[in-house]
Amino acid sequence: ETGVTQSPTHLIKTRGQQVTLRCSSQSGHNTVSWYQQALGQGPQFIFQYYREEENGRGNFPPRFSGLQFPNYSSELNVNALELDDSALYLCASTPWTATYNEQFFGPGTRLTVL
Amino acid sequence: RKEVEQDPGPFNVPEGATVAFNCTYSNSASQSFFWYRQDCRKEPKLLMSVYSSGNEDGRFTAQLNRASQYISLLIRDSKLSDSATYLCVVYSSASKIIFGSGTRLSIRP
Repeated sequence: ETGVTQSPTHLIKTRGQQVTLRCSSQSGHNTVSWYQQALGQGPQFIFQYYREEENGRGNFPPRFSGLQFPNYSSELNVNALELDDSALYLCASTPWTATYNEQFFGPGTRLTVL
Repeated sequence: RKEVEQDPGPFNVPEGATVAFNCTYSNSASQSFFWYRQDCRKEPKLLMSVYSSGNEDGRFTAQLNRASQYISLLIRDSKLSDSATYLCVVYSSASKIIFGSGTRLSIRP
């Protein structure tokens, strides 16, 4: 087990709504990344947080935003949901002891936008 | 051209066979490389980091070829439980973590 948990497991929203997804990682995992994985595709990098600051971002619009908290939990917020936002959302954490930036994933939140 | 490319497969091989996957990347400044496996409707799980000198973990061997910009994964004596999608990951910086689309492997009895 990676010790990374995510909530909720599944979520159904309608177009235009806002959603908040949550992730909790182990103590000492001070880097967290969020990914979007569409069916049949590899995960797409959304952004990364280190010590509560965003320190990297992929090609996602500003309506995707995040927060990281001192207790090793984090959030992904998506505003103005679109149908194409339907996907599996994964968070991954990296321990400060990692040699090569290894990431350990949570089980994901499956978001459906209707 | 995609920044990280994998053969999507599927690779369908008999139990006990040896199978190899390649993954090419376009950014020569890439720093870290990994192989993950992902079972259907599950999260990716770290299989191996890929070191410059190559590394082996039991039946699995990973290689990095910086000159030709590819990494490889070799699975020997394949088991039914090896059936999964194998994802290569290339890490260039905090803003450049790229997963390949995955290679599907199916091991048949």
